[in-house]
Amino acid sequence: ETGVTQSPTHLIKTRGQQVTLRCSSQSGHNTVSWYQQALGQGPQFIFQYYREEENGRGNFPPRFSGLQFPNYSSELNVNALELDDSALYLCASSLFRMNTGELFFGEGSRLTVL
Amino acid sequence: QKEVEQNSGPLSVPEGAIASLNCTYSDRGSQSFFWYRQYSGKSPELIMSIYSNGDKEDGRFTAQLNKASQYVSLLIRDSQPSDSATYLCAVPNAGNMLTFGGGTRLMVKP
Repeated sequence: ETGVTQSPTHLIKTRGQQVTLRCSSQSGHNTVSWYQQALGQGPQFIFQYYREEENGRGNFPPRFSGLQFPNYSSELNVNALELDDSALYLCASSLFRMNTGELFFGEGSRLTVL
Repeated sequence: QKEVEQNSGPLSVPEGAIASLNCTYSDRGSQSFFWYRQYSGKSPELIMSIYSNGDKEDGRFTAQLNKASQYVSLLIRDSQPSDSATYLCAVPNAGNMLTFGGGTRLMVKP
C-alpha cells in the first residue's frame, strides 16, 4: 500500500460525457502526477501539479484538465469523452525536486467509455 | 518528446533461470533510468534506478546501463513465479515527470 487513494475505482461513461477522477496523495508528498494507461501499454504522462498549479504537461488535449487543492489532493477532469479515453487512470504522488524517479501510485480508476 | 522502447513479450523463462529485459531510449542526454514492476491489475512500483554506466545490483536484480548504445537492461537471477509481471522502463523528462516504455510481460513457469 502506497497511501495514495483514488476514486472511483471503476466507472462507465458514454461518448461526449464528462468525468472527474479524484486522488489523495501520500502523507508528506506535495506533488501529484496523472498518467493514462491503455490496456497493454505503458503509462503515459498527462500532467503534474505542484502548489496548486500545473507544473508540466504531456501530449494530451485541453479537454484533459486538473486541479490540486491546498491539502495536495487532486482531480482529473476529462470533457467530451471519446472512446479512446477508455483506460486506467493512475495518480502518483511524490516530493517536488526529489528527482529520484520514485512515484507512489494509487490503484487507479478504470474508465470505460461506450 | 523522449521515447522509450521495450519488447512487449511475453518473455517466458523457467523457474530458476535468468530473465533479461531490455530497453532502448531516444534521448542521448538522459541521465537517469528506472525500472518499475507492475503486477496484473495493480499499479506500478519502483524496483531499480540507475544513473551511471555499468551494473547496479540489488538482491536478485541487476540493472545495466550503456549510455553510448542508449540501452538499459534488467536482469533477474533465480527467477521465481512471483516475478511474473510487466516490467516498465522509464526515463524522466524533468523532475519526476516520467516517460514509460510499453512494458515487457515476464512469465516465470514453475
